[in-house]
Amino acid sequence: SQTIHQWPATLVQPVGSPLSLECTVEGTSNPNLYWYRQAAGRGLQLLFYSVGIGQISSEVPQNLSASRPQDRQFILSSKKLLLSDSGFYLCAWNRDGHRNEKLFFGSGTQLSVL
Amino acid sequence: KQEVTQIPAALSVPEGENLVLNCSFTDSAIYNLQWFRQDPGKGLTSLLLIQSSQREQTSGRLNASLDKSSGRSTLYIAASQPGDSATYLCAVRRNTGTASKLTFGTGTRLQVTL
Repeated sequence: SQTIHQWPATLVQPVGSPLSLECTVEGTSNPNLYWYRQAAGRGLQLLFYSVGIGQISSEVPQNLSASRPQDRQFILSSKKLLLSDSGFYLCAWNRDGHRNEKLFFGSGTQLSVL
Repeated sequence: KQEVTQIPAALSVPEGENLVLNCSFTDSAIYNLQWFRQDPGKGLTSLLLIQSSQREQTSGRLNASLDKSSGRSTLYIAASQPGDSATYLCAVRRNTGTASKLTFGTGTRLQVTL
């Protein structure tokens, strides 16, 4: 069976510090991978998605970047965090090319930038 | 631009009641619609996925319907239980590409009381 791991679960960082959140998927190959952010009182917003190694698409302009160094690894980064980067970050995956496939989410990282 | 609205924002019902959660979307050109459950501080769990060609999907006590032409979906929960307490989110997938670019509603927070 497939599993998705996301860490850390909670992170408190000062403004201006770097960020690295990691997500890995097990039990599948060539998944589509996604980073979503859930801000307090707002819906989930798609930040990045990747359909293959090294292929990153950004949905919204922002202070963050994403990378996919391996097939089942997806990393969310920032060189200098802003207060507005605070939120709940969720990694997700589904199968490549299957248009009616469910999306599976990780357990999320609660990021507080102070 | 697709917009997804969920009404009500919050709902409290006594155990055993049947209930309906509503989701509406502005652009009917969708591939599918998913209903998710989110427990506080946790990731999302996919409950049901309805393809654009389908009218409804059922899983246990859950039944989701889709009226694509009118831009509406409902999630029906039969014989509610305290364990059903969570936030329920609907999301629609855009009708382009192979990646699941979902647009989420802001959710309905459900509390089932004893």
